[in-house]
Formats: sequence, C-alpha cells, structure tokens
Amino acid sequence: AQTVTQSQPEMSVQEAETVTLSCTYDTSESDYYLFWYKQPPSRQMILVIRQEAYKQQNATENRFSVNFQKAAKSFSLKISDSQLGDAAMYFCAYRRGANDMRFGAGTRLTVKP
Amino acid sequence: DTEVTQTPKHLVMGMTNKKSLKCEQHMGHRAMYWYKQKAKKPPELMFVYSYEKLSINESVPSRFSPECPNSSLLNLHLHALQPEDSALYLCASSQRRQGGTEAFFGQGTRLTVV
Repeated sequence: AQTVTQSQPEMSVQEAETVTLSCTYDTSESDYYLFWYKQPPSRQMILVIRQEAYKQQNATENRFSVNFQKAAKSFSLKISDSQLGDAAMYFCAYRRGANDMRFGAGTRLTVKP
Repeated sequence: DTEVTQTPKHLVMGMTNKKSLKCEQHMGHRAMYWYKQKAKKPPELMFVYSYEKLSINESVPSRFSPECPNSSLLNLHLHALQPEDSALYLCASSQRRQGGTEAFFGQGTRLTVV
C-alpha cells in the first residue's frame, strides 16, 4: 500500500519569508501523481499544486513550487514571499491510476506578521 | 463553475435521527467521493462513485448509506449514528477516477451527533 508521510506537524514562517514543507511517500510504481492541498479554517480543501511523476521538471504555481526527487521519493513544497493568507493545514497527497487519493497527516503552517 | 456545493454546512442530530447530507457539482465530473475528517487529521476516504456506480466502500458501517441519483448529485444518508461519528464530512469530485485528475472539494458538513 502507498503511504504518504509529512514529518512536520507544525511550521512557522515570518511574513514575506520562504518556507519549505516536507513530504515523502512510499511506492513501487513509476507512474503516479502528487498533490499539495491547502485547508484553511474555512475548511475547504484547495489544490495548491500538482506534479506528474513522469515529468522531470518541478511544478510551479506563482509563489508555490515543488522540489520533486523521484528516486528519493520526496515531494516538498516551497512557499515564497509568505502571506498571512497562506496560514492553513497543508496536505500532501498521492494518486496512481484508478486508485484514489491518499493524504499525509498534514502540516499546520502559521504565518507571523 | 468549479464549485462543489455541500448542504447543510452544520448539522446536529440525535442518535435516533435520520438525516441526509447533500453534494452537488456541475463540472461534468464522473467520479464523486465522500471523505470523513476528524479534527487535526487528514481526510479518510469513505465511498467512491464512478459513473454513478459505487466503486469503493472503505468498510464503512452500514449506518452510513451513500446514494448517487445522477451524475451531478451525491447524498449520504445517516441513521442511528454514534457520537464518535461526529466529524467534518467532505464531498469531492474529479473528472474521472483515473490518472492525475485532481479532486475538487466542497466546504464540508460539520456533523455533531448528540
């Protein structure tokens, strides 16, 4: 079974600074998809960024980028120029084929003004 | 329209009540999901519907009964729940079950069983 591990239960960053959230996963497959979701206090899970395992280039969405290391099975999220609105729970997720999305335990990010 | 709409947003029910949670999407997605999320935990998959057919039931107790009347609607019928069933119930949809199609989530129903 695939597992997703987020080893940082909580992280804190100063506004305008950069923070990196870690995620590792366990799989024997070569073709799969990885996601970062954000869940603010409003409760709705919002997709932040997606990475296809067959793509070597790291995905980027504005201030959000990933460092995808396929051999190391690592998928970290970097948030640049952190904003107060970035405060939320961040979940790393894995999906392959017809299997359904599996989430890590989450990292709570606090942004300090 | 990229929304998944869930109603109600909050629900308090007694252990002998029968209630239903509703979920609606108009994105043409053919896969719909129910997740249960306890406080400070990740969402846990309960049910998956693919093309209006139940594909996965993750060993959920029979007091939870899903229904997919059409491709836009997903219901979760609740009966004789226990206090430990209190949680946030999230509905999600995706274009299909396969591949890298991301899931779009609703805002959830906060359920309290008293």
